[in-house]
Amino acid sequence: GAGVSQSPSNKVTEKGKDVELRCDPISGHTALYWYRQSLGQGLEFLIYFQGNSAPDKSGLPSDRFSAERTGGSVSTLTIQRTQQEDSAVYLCASSPTGGLTNEKLFFGSGTQLSVL
Amino acid sequence: AQTVTQSQPEMSVQEAETVTLSCTYDTSESDYYLFWYKQPPSRQMILVIRQEAYKQQNATENRFSVNFQKAAKSFSLKISDSQLGDAAMYFCAYRITFGFSGNTPLVFGKGTRLSVIA
Repeated sequence: GAGVSQSPSNKVTEKGKDVELRCDPISGHTALYWYRQSLGQGLEFLIYFQGNSAPDKSGLPSDRFSAERTGGSVSTLTIQRTQQEDSAVYLCASSPTGGLTNEKLFFGSGTQLSVL
Repeated sequence: AQTVTQSQPEMSVQEAETVTLSCTYDTSESDYYLFWYKQPPSRQMILVIRQEAYKQQNATENRFSVNFQKAAKSFSLKISDSQLGDAAMYFCAYRITFGFSGNTPLVFGKGTRLSVIA
């Protein structure tokens, strides 16, 4: 596609339910990133993929969070047993190679997750 | 740990005027990159400008320029001839130069919300 696509745009769920957030990066982009943006906070790094592998999972806040990427393309971020503090905008970004420090990241419009 | 601080939660500017958004960062690294990203209401972050720490010359992109003071660990963004479309959240970000450990994540500040008054 022309840009990074994320779905759903908005998700409302009940506490304790599992949710899956999807990211479709720009075609051909090797690197993929997940960030979380809580109200009044900056962007918090969650996880990074190079191809299908995730060399850096350091930002995942708990073992309720997991992510995978298949075929070097689409990525899914799964949050199990959601808590109210998980409410945030989840942003996905991709970049062509992931090999250059100054490489521009292309962001999607995010998924607004609300946990009731 | 690297931190990025944006001390101005909100700023406003008159259309056609100039505004400066401040950013300071804390690092023990000598080689790194700095970025400003813009987030309009659509939530889609857009790169505005970037600066390499080893370059003394301040980066410029059309109406956007930076004032990079490496010793003071300061990286402010100046927007000249402000336009209504400049209204957005602006995030300052920092990234350590990739080494043997490979890719490092962008570290973001909490953002400054810029309003442009017609």
